Amino acid sequence: IAGITQAPTSQILAAGRRMTLRCTQDMRHNAMYWYRQDLGLGLRLIHYSNTAGTTGKGEVPDGYSVSRANTDDFPLTLASAVPSQTSVYFCASSLHPTQANYNSPLHFGNGTRLTVT
Amino acid sequence: GENVEQHPSTLSVQEGDSAVIKCTYSDSASNYFPWYKQELGKRPQLIIDIRSNVGEKKDQRIAVTLNKTAKHFSLHITETQPEDSAVYFCAASILGGETSGSRLTFGEGTQLTVNP
Repeated sequence: IAGITQAPTSQILAAGRRMTLRCTQDMRHNAMYWYRQDLGLGLRLIHYSNTAGTTGKGEVPDGYSVSRANTDDFPLTLASAVPSQTSVYFCASSLHPTQANYNSPLHFGNGTRLTVT
Repeated sequence: GENVEQHPSTLSVQEGDSAVIKCTYSDSASNYFPWYKQELGKRPQLIIDIRSNVGEKKDQRIAVTLNKTAKHFSLHITETQPEDSAVYFCAASILGGETSGSRLTFGEGTQLTVNP
């Protein structure tokens, strides 16, 4: 079934530890995104990638890094986790405007619930 | 950058009534406005979207209206049912080019509860 797979589903992490959230899509979408969701704040963009080999900063990038070595994978790394990074993390993908020549809807993964203690 | 505000934050209606959720955006260059529904513990899923060259779009019980002059857009759900209970998010984006791409800015969400 085509879609986005995120792993792990949930994780409890000690502050100061390093953690990589995985995201893989099989829809051949050029564009991928990482959002965090916090109660009352909606979905906020952390980092994005318009195409393999390129990344950009979103609204709340501090403390996070990403890489885009190929079209399918877009991992998000927390180098040294802090309690304020406790959140639900959603990976998403979409057609890039150069693929579709129009704004394309986001397709979301099931999310990773991360708790930093 | 773009700022999207969404109201109300919570909305409770009786089954069969209509529900309206409103959003405003700040960047007049925004040209794409999707709405997502998120059930408890699930991923957000697109329910309807509208582009700036259209003033209204309808899909069965769901409709979206856009007022570009006032920079606001609304979601209308008619004949609400208990399964409509969820969090609804509006969003706005600008169709970008090779480097800027197209990135959504979301509102804070509206918790809709439909009481049987």
